[in-house]
Amino acid sequence: SQQGEEDPQALSIQEGENATMNCSYKTSINNLQWYRQNSGRGLVHLILIRSNEREKHSGRLRVTLDTSKKSSSLLITASRAADTASYFCATFNFGNEKLTFGTGTRLTIIP
Amino acid sequence: EAGVAQSPRYKIIEKRQSVAFWCNPISGHATLYWYQQILGQGPKLLIQFQNNGVVDDSQLPKDRFSAERLKGVDSTLKIQPAKLEDSAVYLCASRKDRLAGAYEQYFGPGTRLTVT
Repeated sequence: SQQGEEDPQALSIQEGENATMNCSYKTSINNLQWYRQNSGRGLVHLILIRSNEREKHSGRLRVTLDTSKKSSSLLITASRAADTASYFCATFNFGNEKLTFGTGTRLTIIP
Repeated sequence: EAGVAQSPRYKIIEKRQSVAFWCNPISGHATLYWYQQILGQGPKLLIQFQNNGVVDDSQLPKDRFSAERLKGVDSTLKIQPAKLEDSAVYLCASRKDRLAGAYEQYFGPGTRLTVT
């Protein structure tokens, strides 16, 4: 079953703008990860945030985590055409070591 | 380092036929996963191996799906007989040993299966 729900399901923005995607999940987690999937490179890990962290940065990516609300957000700044892809949040649980993916956000960057 | 390899990349079969997918994980990665991704959805875990032992196969339809990981390295996933609803992309992923504290998974390019 899907653990996370991404919002919005689809997002189109102009190149250079910022893109924000949200993820909500249901059970307790040890970490939350974001992955990108496009036809050229398959599914690729972007960033991981642990349950005791609130914010993390990696290049143009900024991830926040609110465990009290069971939600996370991914911000991509200064978007590029190459950022066009589907983005998935995935929650990791130490107990069963499973990574459970959400439904994904389809991001389209308009040149 | 070389990534996760999968073959074939595409497969078209008729319902009730059988099919097998192969995966070679990144060298040294102890944990191997098979996922099913239906169009428009996120990947769904089918089975998880730790070395050559099964950790979790609770979502594997065992009446038709089977998987093995020989000698804790390569793995094969088989479907017999296939149904129309098995049309999906089958992804293989690997991860370093849990003791290494690594949690990110590395995915192969996937096999796109079409059942007609």
